[in-house]
Amino acid sequence: AQSVTQPDIHITVSEGASLELRCNYSYGATPYLFWYVQSPGQGLQLLLKYFSGDTLVQGIKGFEAEFKRSQSSFNLRKPSVHWSDAAEYFCAVGDDYKLSFGAGTTVTVRA
Amino acid sequence: DADVTQTPRNRITKTGKRIMLECSQTKGHDRMYWYRQDPGLGLRLIYYSFDVKDINKGEISDGYSVSRQAQAKFSLSLESAIPNQTALYFCATDSRIGTGELFFGEGSRLTVL
Repeated sequence: AQSVTQPDIHITVSEGASLELRCNYSYGATPYLFWYVQSPGQGLQLLLKYFSGDTLVQGIKGFEAEFKRSQSSFNLRKPSVHWSDAAEYFCAVGDDYKLSFGAGTTVTVRA
Repeated sequence: DADVTQTPRNRITKTGKRIMLECSQTKGHDRMYWYRQDPGLGLRLIYYSFDVKDINKGEISDGYSVSRQAQAKFSLSLESAIPNQTALYFCATDSRIGTGELFFGEGSRLTVL
């Protein structure tokens, strides 16, 4: 069975500082991996995805993620956080139509 | 206008009542989904549909039913609502091509008293 673990429930970061959100997955084959962001009162929006190829993936809003098969991880990073990055972030794993989502990490940005 | 529209956005109801959440999309996608979001649990798949004649149960379908009235419309029903169905419900779509990108509605917050 596929599953996703996001170890950090809540992260607080200063504006301009770097951000890293952790994601570990369990999946029987080569996974499709995703990061979604949910701003307050909104639905989820895709930040980036990994299907195959280059293990460092670039996404929207300046985010990137690195797939590490040996560690079953797909961590999300951003070099310099903006106040608008305050949101909840979800990692997801699966095949092309059946995704399992992690519990989410809430990011608070302080001035 | 949003590509994926959910109605109602907020609903408070009582135990035992029948509730329908509606979803319509203008993206022309074949595949539609209903997810439930609970704090600390992320999103869990309730039902999904690949076309009007193809409806499938997700991981938490008990207590729910769905109807795919047209390619663009997918509704979720709670025949007899119970308090533990209080949650935020999301409709989502994606294309048959399978890019992996789900397009979500803004959610329907349901409270069952």
